[in-house]
Amino acid sequence: RKEVEQDPGPFNVPEGATVAFNCTYSNSASQSFFWYRQDCRKEPKLLMSVYSSGNEDGRFTAQLNRASQYISLLIRDSKLSDSATYLCVVRGTTNKLVFGAGTILRVKS
Amino acid sequence: GAGVSQSPSNKVTEKGKDVELRCDPISGHTALYWYRQSLGQGLEFLIYFQGNSAPDKSGLPSDRFSAERTGGSVSTLTIQRTQQEDSAVYLCASSLDLRLNTQYFGPGTRLTVL
Repeated sequence: RKEVEQDPGPFNVPEGATVAFNCTYSNSASQSFFWYRQDCRKEPKLLMSVYSSGNEDGRFTAQLNRASQYISLLIRDSKLSDSATYLCVVRGTTNKLVFGAGTILRVKS
Repeated sequence: GAGVSQSPSNKVTEKGKDVELRCDPISGHTALYWYRQSLGQGLEFLIYFQGNSAPDKSGLPSDRFSAERTGGSVSTLTIQRTQQEDSAVYLCASSLDLRLNTQYFGPGTRLTVL
């Protein structure tokens, strides 16, 4: 079983739609959680950290459920520019980040 | 520079040759990380440095891979006797220190082994 699992998609949605991505992780001792975004043939960039209380940044909302070892990302009012691969990232007890394989989002007009 | 830089941006080599990939972290960042990303795959952790020290080398795929960092700044990843399965994008990231988790990635080096 992979340490971080994501639905690869692709998720094809129209502009303005709300879309949710899920991620599960296997290491219950994981300490920090993130969503990164990666555009085609570009490097990953931090989208947002994920906190137990849930956090929001504009149209993006991230949730963490430690009991279920589950992380989610909700994107409201999708824009064409949101099209990218979304990477679920977990840091365990070591200092390395473990990346999921990513979920592809395609927003269409 | 403002961000992490890597060179070369593209490298094509023949099987069996050695290659050296370079990473210049953001100035002042003490932690530096190497990952690789194969086509359609997620990022695979290779190694990290805190200063010039690499406490965890467990991610290096084989003993043909080595990395060093000097002066707490530039790092090189060396792959000896390259194989076709080494073809991937090699990404470097840096962070202010190990406790601060925001890692800033460089643009990567696309390695193709023929």
